[in-house]
Amino acid sequence: KAGVTQTPRYLIKTRGQQVTLSCSPISGHRSVSWYQQTPGQGLQFLFEYFSETQRNKGNFPGRFSGRQFSNSRSEMNVSTLELGDSALYLCASSSNPGVSSGNTIYFGEGSWLTVV
Amino acid sequence: AQSVTQLGSHVSVSEGALVLLRCNYSSSVPPYLFWYVQYPNQGLQLLLKYTTGATLVKGINGFEAEFKKSETSFHLTKPSAHMSDAAEYFCAVTPSGNTGKLIFGQGTTLQVKP
Repeated sequence: KAGVTQTPRYLIKTRGQQVTLSCSPISGHRSVSWYQQTPGQGLQFLFEYFSETQRNKGNFPGRFSGRQFSNSRSEMNVSTLELGDSALYLCASSSNPGVSSGNTIYFGEGSWLTVV
Repeated sequence: AQSVTQLGSHVSVSEGALVLLRCNYSSSVPPYLFWYVQYPNQGLQLLLKYTTGATLVKGINGFEAEFKKSETSFHLTKPSAHMSDAAEYFCAVTPSGNTGKLIFGQGTTLQVKP
């Protein structure tokens, strides 16, 4: 079956603009998480959603927001872009929230955002 | 608070040699531990995970890791490196079983020399 699908894969934005990234989880998965990956800060957790509800939020400013739809697809939005927002944004999905021997978290290939 | 430390940002081995990537964690509760691999311009792929039970965990591509509570370690090993193992490896911990929030180490780049 198809893996976690993220769109767009690459995009370039200008400082001050806003951007929306999309994530389609693996079919049947209802939990979605987002991560930011940069060379300096590494992989950092942004949000976790399950059944359209945000369960966890990382330590990011309010410019970063997300949501999940009834079909489990998720979007994240970054407003008033800054140069430091340039990063690889990774989406992950799993059947249910949490981790267990039977619940695996799968990652998409990410969306590369460059802010100029 | 939970944290992960990966010792060595770069590790270089010869093809056929033992691979050892070190990971130490800090957690106030029994941790759930993971190793992910990232190939260039790709997302993360799960190699293995420890949740409960047997402390020696076998993963894909011949990798395994052992959870040692007394040493707060979860080192990743592979007996014989292959050129295709060259990638970046991330150790991660989650604070509890009811969240998908992963806390990652800074990553270790594995170079495999012919």
